[in-house]
Amino acid sequence: GNSVTQMEGPVTLSEEAFLTINCTYTATGYPSLFWYVQYPGEGLQLLLKATKADDKGSNKGFEATYRKETTSFHLEKGSVQVSDSAVYFCALKNTGTASKLTFGTGTRLQVTL
Amino acid sequence: DTGVSQDPRHKITKRGQNVTFRCDPISEHNRLYWYRQTLGQGPEFLTYFQNEAQLEKSRLLSDRFSAERPKGSFSTLEIQRTEQGDSAMYLCASRGDRGSGNTGELFFGEGSRLTVL
Repeated sequence: GNSVTQMEGPVTLSEEAFLTINCTYTATGYPSLFWYVQYPGEGLQLLLKATKADDKGSNKGFEATYRKETTSFHLEKGSVQVSDSAVYFCALKNTGTASKLTFGTGTRLQVTL
Repeated sequence: DTGVSQDPRHKITKRGQNVTFRCDPISEHNRLYWYRQTLGQGPEFLTYFQNEAQLEKSRLLSDRFSAERPKGSFSTLEIQRTEQGDSAMYLCASRGDRGSGNTGELFFGEGSRLTVL
């Protein structure tokens, strides 16, 4: 079956630090990969996605590259801000599954001044 | 606000009572999803509608759970004879078909938190 494994949090960083949140997956076929973000008191929002191997998704300074050989989709940002403090979820969707997503457990990021 | 809205945002109930949650998707979206999120976990798929048809149900959706989308617009999720293990955040999401400006992205509501005492 499908599964997503994320690094446990919380991850605490100072503003302007470099961020990496690891995500690896197990899936049959060729899934699409996603990062969702949940800010305090808000719903999940799509942050970025990649639909095939070697694709790079990017948004708001965040990037993630679909690595089929290592079954990974690590999230990175070169310089985090306090406003990036949120919970980040890695997720996958297999082809033909009508947008049914399999999520990781989430990683809380706390950015301090 | 034209996003996905859910009601109530928080429900506290006693074990054995029935509860119902409502989801209003983005108006032009024909697909609607329910997920459940327990503390410290990611969301888990429960069920999915295309228009008024319920096309898929997870094994997580026991007989005490029922979901409807009678006119292909809003949806309800009812839990009968609630148990403490039902305490969770219930998330609704919607999407439109790709094309006509839709990317196929899933839009989530803020969730309905259930606490069963």
